[in-house]
Amino acid sequence: AQTVTQSQPEMSVQEAETVTLSCTYDTSESDYYLFWYKQPPSRQMILVIRQEAYKQQNATENRFSVNFQKAAKSFSLKISDSQLGDAAMYFCAYTPMFMYSGGGADGLTFGKGTHLIIQP
Amino acid sequence: EAGVTQFPSHSVIEKGQTVTLRCDPISGHDNLYWYRRVMGKEIKFLLHFVKESKQDESGMPNNRFLAERTGGTYSTLKVQPAELEDSGVYFCASSQKTGQQYFGPGTRLTVT
Repeated sequence: AQTVTQSQPEMSVQEAETVTLSCTYDTSESDYYLFWYKQPPSRQMILVIRQEAYKQQNATENRFSVNFQKAAKSFSLKISDSQLGDAAMYFCAYTPMFMYSGGGADGLTFGKGTHLIIQP
Repeated sequence: EAGVTQFPSHSVIEKGQTVTLRCDPISGHDNLYWYRRVMGKEIKFLLHFVKESKQDESGMPNNRFLAERTGGTYSTLKVQPAELEDSGVYFCASSQKTGQQYFGPGTRLTVT
């Protein structure tokens, strides 16, 4: 069974600084997707960034980037120039590619989440 | 475009009672998912609909949980009878055939 582990229940960073959230996962699949979702307080969970396992290039979305180490099964999220609006729960998630792209993708496997605090 | 909506936002019921949660997916999204997050634990997948059919219900905890999606539009998740361990936040998500999942705000269920 696939598992996703987020070892940092809470992280705190000063506004404008950089923070890295860690995520490791375990799977026997070779092709899969990894995601970081963000859930601000009392708001909906939204997708921050997505990484396809077959791509060696790390995904980037503006101030958000990932460090994907497939051999180590590590998928960390780096947030540069942290802003107050980045304060949220961040969830790492996984799904096998054959499920995601097959027109009937199964559910995501999530980590426990990391609570990110931004200090003004 | 309206997002995924869920009703109610919060429900408090006594052990043994019945509760029905509702999810309205984004219009046109055939795939609908239910997840649950128990306090301090991971968000767990419960089941997946493709239109009105259950694609995968392997995550449903037991037969006290019943999910339906009549007509392939909105979905309901009924818990009967509710137990204390059912407390948590129930999320719904929807997606197009090969697209990302869009999540609703969740329903916080408290069983006392």
